[in-house]
Amino acid sequence: DGGITQSPKYLFRKEGQNVTLSCEQNLNHDAMYWYRQDPGQGLRLIYYSQIVNDFQKGDIAEGYSVSREKKESFPLTVTSAQKNPTAFYLCASRADRVYGYTFGSGTRLTVV
Amino acid sequence: KNEVEQSPQNLTAQEGEFITINCSYSVGISALHWLQQHPGGGIVSLFMLSSGKKKHGRLIATINIQEKHSSLHITASHPRDSAVYICAVRYFGNEKLTFGTGTRLTIIP
Repeated sequence: DGGITQSPKYLFRKEGQNVTLSCEQNLNHDAMYWYRQDPGQGLRLIYYSQIVNDFQKGDIAEGYSVSREKKESFPLTVTSAQKNPTAFYLCASRADRVYGYTFGSGTRLTVV
Repeated sequence: KNEVEQSPQNLTAQEGEFITINCSYSVGISALHWLQQHPGGGIVSLFMLSSGKKKHGRLIATINIQEKHSSLHITASHPRDSAVYICAVRYFGNEKLTFGTGTRLTIIP
């Protein structure tokens, strides 16, 4: 079955370390997205990519970086510059010219 | 500022009750989504609407474009419906989705 795979489900890192969250899709979707979820807040867009080798900043891109070298992969790096990295991170994808989204199961990152 | 408002924030009901969750948005949209998030965190897309009404099993979603309002209904609610329900919209000319903060639904047996 097609879908989005996010790994790992839970991730612990020490403060000051960079960490990369994986997002892979086998849906042949063109667009991919990273969202962050904090308690009591709606999901917020970090970065998105509409095509391979191109990506744009979302509302809260500071302290994060992404790459889109392959259509099926959109990894997110949480850098040491991100001041409050502990959160739940969701990856999503969407086929071009189609409004429906598919979401991954998320990665809960805890920085200690 | 484009926002999405959901009500109620929390809802507890007895098994079998009819449930309604509301969503309001501010300006024209190209699509509205209803999503379900279980305690593990993963999100499932329930409906995508641009007009009218959609039904899937015990779930019904409606949208009123003139009033900028959508409702999600659950008939014959069951404890397994307990989850957070999230409304999200895609405003015209905007690539991203704007999310509501969610409605936490608890169905008591």
